[in-house]
Amino acid sequence: DVKVTQSSRYLVKRTGEKVFLECVQDMDHENMFWYRQDPGLGLRLIYFSYDVKMKEKGDIPEGYSVSREKKERFSLILESASTNQTSMYLCASSFDRGIKNIQYFGAGTRLSVL
Amino acid sequence: QKEVEQNSGPLSVPEGAIASLNCTYSDRGSQSFFWYRQYSGKSPELIMSIYSNGDKEDGRFTAQLNKASQYVSLLIRDSQPSDSATYLCAVRNQGGKLIFGQGTELSVKP
Repeated sequence: DVKVTQSSRYLVKRTGEKVFLECVQDMDHENMFWYRQDPGLGLRLIYFSYDVKMKEKGDIPEGYSVSREKKERFSLILESASTNQTSMYLCASSFDRGIKNIQYFGAGTRLSVL
Repeated sequence: QKEVEQNSGPLSVPEGAIASLNCTYSDRGSQSFFWYRQYSGKSPELIMSIYSNGDKEDGRFTAQLNKASQYVSLLIRDSQPSDSATYLCAVRNQGGKLIFGQGTELSVKP
């Protein structure tokens, strides 16, 4: 079974704090993704990575950065948290970029910024 | 026009009925199509994938793809209250990007 583990299920942070969300996958997947999910807006891609030390901007990268120092770990960083970053954050991974490759999701981190 | 469109619902069906969930997409070059189920407060879970025109069956689930009409659907036979969830359609476009619809909320009434 594919396992994608997100370090926290719930987080409460204050405005201006630096926030780290961690994601680890155990299936040697090449690709990793960070999404946020908000009511009425669906899943939106923040950043993704196809290889170690490689990152690409998704649709809504502003206010976020990422780090992929090891193949199995992909971190999302909120440099200075703001209230509009309160959301459900979902990490996903997939094996490769073939048309049949499937994204598997972690359990999600519900972040509240006060 | 959104790249992947679904009716948001809620779609309400009685227990034992067939639930029909629909999805349209705009990129004619799209090649792979997925249905995810998401329970409230949980993460999306893949339930079906389909890559060629026609039907694909897995247990009570059938995915249907019509590339000419740019339409993909999910049928759930003998619907159960445990099927109550939001169903996300996802389409991999010609550029390789996976695009999600906003999801259809399904409610199965006992």
